[in-house]
Amino acid sequence: EPEVTQTPSHQVTQMGQEVILRCVPISNHLYFYWYRQILGQKVEFLVSFYNNEISEKSEIFDDQFSVERPDGSNFTLKIRSTKLEDSAMYFCAEVGRGLNTEAFFGQGTRLTVV
Amino acid sequence: RKEVEQDPGPFNVPEGATVAFNCTYSNSASQSFFWYRQDCRKEPKLLMSVYSSGNEDGRFTAQLNRASQYISLLIRDSKLSDSATYLCVVRPSGTYKYIFGTGTRLKVLA
Repeated sequence: EPEVTQTPSHQVTQMGQEVILRCVPISNHLYFYWYRQILGQKVEFLVSFYNNEISEKSEIFDDQFSVERPDGSNFTLKIRSTKLEDSAMYFCAEVGRGLNTEAFFGQGTRLTVV
Repeated sequence: RKEVEQDPGPFNVPEGATVAFNCTYSNSASQSFFWYRQDCRKEPKLLMSVYSSGNEDGRFTAQLNRASQYISLLIRDSKLSDSATYLCVVRPSGTYKYIFGTGTRLKVLA
């Protein structure tokens, strides 16, 4: 099974600080996603990204969040000014060619805002 | 109505038992269906895609009922290692996003 790599695996940050979560995609994948999972809750969609543009975003994905592929390879999620409620697991996911295929998830970054 | 709904469980079953989970979805235009497995504090991992005609992979059988908008997963001969949360995932047509249910927790007991 292809591997999607995320860094860091765990990040602790102070409220109000900016964090950048990184994902190294599989080379031939086209669609990229960020999801989050608050402890004990369901996996929630944040944003999808295709052809270097956001294709869809949820109401959670407000102005505090941004995504980009700065160098055409890594895929990042930036949270500008973290809040306590941003504490969660953040998963990067990718889908290959053909949207009827499954999404592959990275191992996640656990973000703790203190 | 929630987009994807699952009974959260937990389902506690003895080793060797057969257990079934159901999932309902609200968007009748949904196009792709999957079962994922998630271990505690780990990423979701694909268990199996769900096809219209139903499909089987070893001890696991998935069924899709489009008319009633539900998906099922049957696990036969449960193993201790099957203990996990099983996530129903749906992708509606016309959207790029994969929508998750809350998951159903399974505990297989020795």
